[in-house]
Amino acid sequence: EAGVTQFPSHSVIEKGQTVTLRCDPISGHDNLYWYRRVMGKEIKFLLHFVKESKQDESGMPNNRFLAERTGGTYSTLKVQPAELEDSGVYFCASSQDLGKGNTIYFGEGSWLTVV
Amino acid sequence: AQRVTQPEKLLSVFKGAPVELKCNYSYSGSPELFWYVQYSRQRLQLLLRHISRESIKGFTADLNKGETSFHLKKPFAQEEDSAMYYCALRIGANNLFFGTGTRLTVIP
Repeated sequence: EAGVTQFPSHSVIEKGQTVTLRCDPISGHDNLYWYRRVMGKEIKFLLHFVKESKQDESGMPNNRFLAERTGGTYSTLKVQPAELEDSGVYFCASSQDLGKGNTIYFGEGSWLTVV
Repeated sequence: AQRVTQPEKLLSVFKGAPVELKCNYSYSGSPELFWYVQYSRQRLQLLLRHISRESIKGFTADLNKGETSFHLKKPFAQEEDSAMYYCALRIGANNLFFGTGTRLTVIP
């Protein structure tokens, strides 16, 4: 069974440019999450999709970040325009259902460097 | 407010020595706690969760509500245990709060 896959694995862009990160969750997982870890800080929750709907986007830092999950399958996270402080690792995760006992599976992360 | 605290960023122990990675949490409700591990060049993966009360790869963690702790322990560290360890608290159905992580190095 394929795990959560993320693309690209690494991206270097200039300040002001746009980057789009993609996440393919495990097949059949309705729940999709985005997290990020900036240098030296903890991994922080960004948002949670249930199928194509945003269940919780309280962690999105500002309106330069836009997440979509059209069709309830893969998701994209776009940063436009990128700023230096956006550099970090962006993790995608998925789970089959909610509630205690379910496991959240993580992707390998997309490393973003804004220069 | 920081909900999960891992006081040690780096921890080094010798092979065969006991290891304890500390985690304290702040939450007034009924907590659900996890340890995640990230080995070199691998993805973040679940190591264990408190509700399962399981031992994985020789690691155990006991939830101490009085001390609001969920320390990860192993009696005899192995070289393959070297990795980044994250303690996480789940609040509600979906939101995981992570600590800053502890990098464990097991010295041969």
